[in-house]
Amino acid sequence: IAGITQAPTSQILAAGRRMTLRCTQDMRHNAMYWYRQDLGLGLRLIHYSNTAGTTGKGEVPDGYSVSRANTDDFPLTLASAVPSQTSVYFCASREDRGNTGELFFGEGSRLTVL
Amino acid sequence: GIQVEQSPPDLILQEGANSTLRCNFSDSVNNLQWFHQNPWGQLINLFYIPSGTKQNGRLSATTVATERYSLLYISSSQTTDSGVYFCAVFSGGYNKLIFGAGTRLAVHP
Repeated sequence: IAGITQAPTSQILAAGRRMTLRCTQDMRHNAMYWYRQDLGLGLRLIHYSNTAGTTGKGEVPDGYSVSRANTDDFPLTLASAVPSQTSVYFCASREDRGNTGELFFGEGSRLTVL
Repeated sequence: GIQVEQSPPDLILQEGANSTLRCNFSDSVNNLQWFHQNPWGQLINLFYIPSGTKQNGRLSATTVATERYSLLYISSSQTTDSGVYFCAVFSGGYNKLIFGAGTRLAVHP
């Protein structure tokens, strides 16, 4: 079944450690996104990529980095995790046709930073 | 930027009841989606509906773009409909979907 695969599903991490959340899509969408979801704050955009080779900052980019070496993969890296990065992380993709194009989400990665 | 407001914030239903969820947005859009986040946290696409009316089983949605609102109808609700319903619109200037705060629905047997 086509879609978006995220890994790991959940992770407990010590503060200060480096962590990469993986995201792969097989729909050949050009645009990909990372959101975090926190209770009471909804879904907030961390970083996005309009096409392979380009990335951009969202609302809450500090402490996170991304890369887009190819169409399918969009990993999110926490260089030195802090407890405030405890959250559920969702990767998403869509075929960007200007302002149109349906967005699809992965299953989410639950990250706990102690 | 675009503001997205959903109402009601919370809704409790008895199984079998019907409901209407509303999404208001502050500017013209050409991309609007409804999502259901189930109790396990999965975000499920319900409708991609920048305008017009669509139906999928017991669910239907209508977007009146000129009046800047969208409605999600749930008929004959079931306990599996419980969760949070999000409306989201695209903000081209920021290249992201702007999400409403959601309507939390609880359907009791």
